[in-house]
Amino acid sequence: DSGVTQTPKHLITATGQRVTLRCSPRSGDLSVYWYQQSLDQGLQFLIQYYNGEERAKGNILERFSAQQFPDLHSELNLSSLELGDSALYFCASEGQETQYFGPGTRLLVL
Amino acid sequence: AQKVTQAQTEISVVEKEDVTLDCVYETRDTTYYLFWYKQPPSGELVFLIRRNSFDEQNEISGRYSWNFQKSTSSFNFTITASQVVDSAVYFCALSVKGTYKYIFGTGTRLKVLA
Repeated sequence: DSGVTQTPKHLITATGQRVTLRCSPRSGDLSVYWYQQSLDQGLQFLIQYYNGEERAKGNILERFSAQQFPDLHSELNLSSLELGDSALYFCASEGQETQYFGPGTRLLVL
Repeated sequence: AQKVTQAQTEISVVEKEDVTLDCVYETRDTTYYLFWYKQPPSGELVFLIRRNSFDEQNEISGRYSWNFQKSTSSFNFTITASQVVDSAVYFCALSVKGTYKYIFGTGTRLKVLA
């Protein structure tokens, strides 16, 4: 158990919908990273937050947004969903130069 | 632009064989970090190592070892005496210092046969 939690584990939705993925980092970790893993695009870095502030943006679509709250949990919002957004979404937190990953949220867009 | 290449898509070995997974990276920056991650069949991602570009010393952790060579822009990963539990997809990644962005290779699927 990495100490990073993600909810929900699975999500099935329809095109055009909006979903929110939630991540709680390990206790004491200030960083949260979001990644997307799909068959087409492989593993991609989306965005990173540090202590509530956005620190880096990767290949994150404009339809996607994220935030980190004062209690350090983070949410990734995906809107106007398309079939191609179907993927495994991981979050990770970082402490002592080590990244700890959550179990992922598997999103299926039908 | 940065890039990470893992040319080996899939490798199969028999248990107890040694195996090396290759990773070649491209960056013009002088300060960067290299990473390896493991993704077993269960799907979770596991961080294995982070290496600073100024530290070219080889790293050994049990049966795992990493060889970082700036001259060839490579950061290869060797598993000694492989075991079935080593079967997984392994990803190499690069992050330039200060960007906090990660560039991943396409992964190498390792199958260790009993």
